[in-house]
Amino acid sequence: GAGVSQSPSNKVTEKGKDVELRCDPISGHTALYWYRQRLGQGLEFLIYFQGNSAPDKSGLPSDRFSAERTGESVSTLTIQRTQQEDSAVYLCASSPWGSGGLETQYFGPGTRLLVL
Amino acid sequence: GQNIDQPTEMTATEGAIVQINCTYQTSGFNGLFWYQQHAGEAPTFLSYNVLDGLEEKGRFSSFLSRSKGYSYLLLKELQMKDSASYLCAVRDSNYQLIWGAGTKLIIKP
Repeated sequence: GAGVSQSPSNKVTEKGKDVELRCDPISGHTALYWYRQRLGQGLEFLIYFQGNSAPDKSGLPSDRFSAERTGESVSTLTIQRTQQEDSAVYLCASSPWGSGGLETQYFGPGTRLLVL
Repeated sequence: GQNIDQPTEMTATEGAIVQINCTYQTSGFNGLFWYQQHAGEAPTFLSYNVLDGLEEKGRFSSFLSRSKGYSYLLLKELQMKDSASYLCAVRDSNYQLIWGAGTKLIIKP
């Protein structure tokens, strides 16, 4: 596609429910990143995929968070047993190869998650 | 630990010039990025510095001093549409991007 897309754009859920967030990166982009951004705050790194492997999962805040990626395309971020502190915008970004240089990350529009 | 510092908020007047500073302490350095983020939107790339000096791109310029762990983003001829948050990010020795909390820039007429 022309850009990174994410779905849903908005999600309201009840505390304790599971949610699944989807990211479609730019076609051909090897690297894929998930970030969390709370209201008025900066980006919090969650996980990074190189192809379909995740060399860096250090940012996942707890074992309720998991992510997978199919080939070099779609990724899903799953949050189990959601808590109110999970409420945030979840941003996905992709980049061509994930190895440095002038390698811009292209961001999707984000999924706004609200846990009631 | 790794740290990126930038002012939380700045105010400037339309048509003026503003400089947004960023200081960093990271484990290694492989480039510094500036991104612009309008409210409710995703960040978009503005500039990249890996060598010391000034990179100019239209109304926007970005400066880097690696020895001082310091960068700034300079915005000239400010327009109302420049009202946004400006995010500084540094790529560390593991090629991981470390993000600052962003500087909210308010432009007044």
